[in-house]
Amino acid sequence: DAGITQSPRHKVTETGTPVTLRCHQTENHRYMYWYRQDPGHGLRLIHYSYGVKDTDKGEVSDGYSVSRSKTEDFLLTLESATSSQTSVYFCAISPLRQGYNSPLHFGNGTRLTVT
Amino acid sequence: QQPVQSPQAVILREGEDAVINCSSSKALYSVHWYRQKHGEAPVFLMILLKGGEQKGHDKISASFNEKKQQSSLYLTASQLSYSGTYFCGTELNDMRFGAGTRLTVKP
Repeated sequence: DAGITQSPRHKVTETGTPVTLRCHQTENHRYMYWYRQDPGHGLRLIHYSYGVKDTDKGEVSDGYSVSRSKTEDFLLTLESATSSQTSVYFCAISPLRQGYNSPLHFGNGTRLTVT
Repeated sequence: QQPVQSPQAVILREGEDAVINCSSSKALYSVHWYRQKHGEAPVFLMILLKGGEQKGHDKISASFNEKKQQSSLYLTASQLSYSGTYFCGTELNDMRFGAGTRLTVKP
C-alpha cells in the first residue's frame, strides 16, 4: 500500500476557528490532492498540487487554502471553519496527473466536525 | 461535471451478479473505478483508457464505451467481500467522481 498518513484522524472544532489538516507521503509522488466526501456527493476535489509550491484549485475550493513546502507534505487549511465544512477529508497521491493511466492512492481520511 | 452512477444501491445474495453503470454528459478519456468499505479509504480497482476497452480483475470486470460516454462495472458470482460503495471517476481535465453505488452482499 502507498505510504500516506493523514492527521489528525478526527477533529471537532468550533465555527470561526482555523483548522489545518496534514497529509504526509513516503512515496515521493509528484501529485497530491485533497478531496472532501459528503453523502450524495461522492468525492469532490478541493485543491491539488503538482510540485513543491505548485498548487491549483479544484471543484470546491472556496473557504480552503493549501500549501506544499516539501514533496512529502500537503497541508489543507480552513481559515475560518463553517458548519458546511463538516465532512470527511481524504488526501490522495499519484505519480502522474490524475487520469493519465495513474490510479489515485488515498489516505485513511480525517473526519472533521464543525460545531 | 459529476458523472451519474446507477443504481444508487443494490442488495445481492452471494453468488448473484450485479452491474453498476456510470455515464457522463461530456467526452471521456478514461474511467476509473474504486471501491470503498465503510469507514475506510477508497481503493483503486481499475482504469479503462480506450473506447470499447474491457478489463477484468478476478470476477470484477468493466467496459468503457467512449462513444456513449458510459462505463459499466460487472460483478460476477458476488462474494461477501464485494460489499462496499463503488465509485466511478472520469477524467477530462481533472477527476470527477460519481456519487457512488452502495453494494450489499448477503449470505
